[in-house]
Amino acid sequence: DGGITQSPKYLFRKEGQNVTLSCEQNLNHDAMYWYRQDPGQGLRLIYYSQIVNDFQKGDIAEGYSVSREKKESFPLTVTSAQKNPTAFYLCASSIDLGHNTEAFFGQGTRLTVV
Amino acid sequence: SQQGEEDPQALSIQEGENATMNCSYKTSINNLQWYRQNSGRGLVHLILIRSNEREKHSGRLRVTLDTSKKSSSLLITASRAADTASYFCATDPYSGGGADGLTFGKGTHLIIQP
Repeated sequence: DGGITQSPKYLFRKEGQNVTLSCEQNLNHDAMYWYRQDPGQGLRLIYYSQIVNDFQKGDIAEGYSVSREKKESFPLTVTSAQKNPTAFYLCASSIDLGHNTEAFFGQGTRLTVV
Repeated sequence: SQQGEEDPQALSIQEGENATMNCSYKTSINNLQWYRQNSGRGLVHLILIRSNEREKHSGRLRVTLDTSKKSSSLLITASRAADTASYFCATDPYSGGGADGLTFGKGTHLIIQP
């Protein structure tokens, strides 16, 4: 069953804590992305990766970090430096970063700061 | 940066009617894509239209693209209750050969009344 899997579905974080969101894909895609979605808003790009061991900042990278040690995995860490982390986080992948390719999304992780 | 802007923000119609939503964008693009998001879920790709195409069909979906006006429309014919969702346009901006990932609008929330 090919696809992209995010875990956990719900995550609660205390103030000052770092948390890591998991994203795994078995589609053999080179490119992976992290987006943030706030209520009633569109998606904003946090980080993206074109290939293993390479990643680039998106529009709102401050307070976040990523790694891409394996092709299949692109975890996102929300650090304590992120001032307003409560949001819905979406991971996506595509065949590559080339043009005219569609993105496949995971089901999202809802992060709440308590 | 968000490039696409959907209009209207919300749309409520009766089952069986057609639903039309629009997307405007600001810069040159390689392609424009439409995605659907059910509440609290990930996005699902619906259709991709390239910058040199003017119209594309997929089942009950019809997408048009007018690059001179930097706008696109998504028509859903013979709507069903199951079409209730948020619909996003995403642009793949032309950036001189590089690719930075899709940029999404804020979406149109479509409600189909039974």
